[in-house]
Amino acid sequence: EAGVTQFPSHSVIEKGQTVTLRCDPISGHDNLYWYRRVMGKEIKFLLHFVKESKQDESGMPNNRFLAERTGGTYSTLKVQPAELEDSGVYFCASSFNAVGQGYGYTFGSGTRLTVV
Amino acid sequence: EDQVTQSPEALRLQEGESSSLNCSYTVSGLRGLFWYRQDPGKGPEFLFTLYSAGEEKEKERLKATLTKKESFLHITAPKPEDSATYLCAVQRDGSSNTGKLIFGQGTTLQVKP
Repeated sequence: EAGVTQFPSHSVIEKGQTVTLRCDPISGHDNLYWYRRVMGKEIKFLLHFVKESKQDESGMPNNRFLAERTGGTYSTLKVQPAELEDSGVYFCASSFNAVGQGYGYTFGSGTRLTVV
Repeated sequence: EDQVTQSPEALRLQEGESSSLNCSYTVSGLRGLFWYRQDPGKGPEFLFTLYSAGEEKEKERLKATLTKKESFLHITAPKPEDSATYLCAVQRDGSSNTGKLIFGQGTTLQVKP
């Protein structure tokens, strides 16, 4: 079974530019999550999709971040315009059920975003 | 406010030297406590979920335990391949059924041969 796939693995952009991150969850997983780890801090929740609907977006830092999941399959996270403080590693995770019962949540390897 | 604190931040062990990692948590209603392992450049890899005080789970050299305020990850006779960052995360109970995890900062374990 293929795991959670994220790309690009690395992205370096200039302040003010736009970047789009993509996440392909495990097939059949209705629940998809975005997390972020900025330098020196813990991994923090951004939002949770159930199929194509946003179940919880309480962790989205501001309106420069836009997440979509059209058709309930892959998801994109767009940052526009990017700021220096957006640098970090963005993780995507997926699960069959929302509570992650039994086997937790499967994480991708992350996208390392550097804004210069 | 929900909070997860892991200690120590870093731990160096000799191969075969057993030890424990601590995860203290404050959450208004615990649904589950998760332990993950993370290798450099990779995403967190699921190890265990604990749901209630007194529960224990084991996997190879790892054993996780849970009380009402903290969890321990015991590593017995570690090997160099156990070197990684170990992450603890809690999931809050509630009616919204969200999968949100609240992570600690992690403990970076290095096991020397």
